[in-house]
Amino acid sequence: DGGITQSPKYLFRKEGQNVTLSCEQNLNHDAMYWYRQDPGQGLRLIYYSQIVNDFQKGDIAEGYSVSREKKESFPLTVTSAQKNPTAFYLCASSIPGAAQGFRFGQGTRLTVV
Amino acid sequence: KQEVTQIPAALSVPEGENLVLNCSFTDSAIYNLQWFRQDPGKGLTSLLLIQSSQREQTSGRLNASLDKSSGRSTLYIAASQPGDSATYLCAVGSGNTGKLIFGQGTTLQVKP
Repeated sequence: DGGITQSPKYLFRKEGQNVTLSCEQNLNHDAMYWYRQDPGQGLRLIYYSQIVNDFQKGDIAEGYSVSREKKESFPLTVTSAQKNPTAFYLCASSIPGAAQGFRFGQGTRLTVV
Repeated sequence: KQEVTQIPAALSVPEGENLVLNCSFTDSAIYNLQWFRQDPGKGLTSLLLIQSSQREQTSGRLNASLDKSSGRSTLYIAASQPGDSATYLCAVGSGNTGKLIFGQGTTLQVKP
């Protein structure tokens, strides 16, 4: 059964460190997304990619970077330039324009210590 | 810029009650609208997807409606159960890129 997997589930970052969140899917979806969720708020789009080797900034891309070298993988790096990184990060994938198929991972909770 | 709003932010009802969750959006030029469920500390599960040309979708005890002209969608839950307790998020797709713009969510508690 296909799905989308995020790891790790919990991540702790020291001040000034870069950390990378993993997102892997075996759904054969072309598009992948990274969202950030803060307490009591909806999801905000960080980056998205519609095809391998191409990605676009979302609404809150500053302090983050991504790569899309393989269709199955879309890792997110939270850099030291992101001043308030503590949040719940969600990865998703879809077939653009399809009637169904928007799937989310189980999330990574990042905490700055 | 598209903005999505959900009211109320929280709702508590007794078991068995029928209820309606509301979602409004500012730009009627949408591609689709989706309702998701989120349990605490978990990812999102898609409940219903309404294409821009549709008026409603149904799945079991859930019914979602869409009125583009007024910029509104509702999620109707019939005969609520304690297992329905979760946060419900509405998201608007603006264009075929698949990008979704989310509301803040409504946290529902169904009391036994």
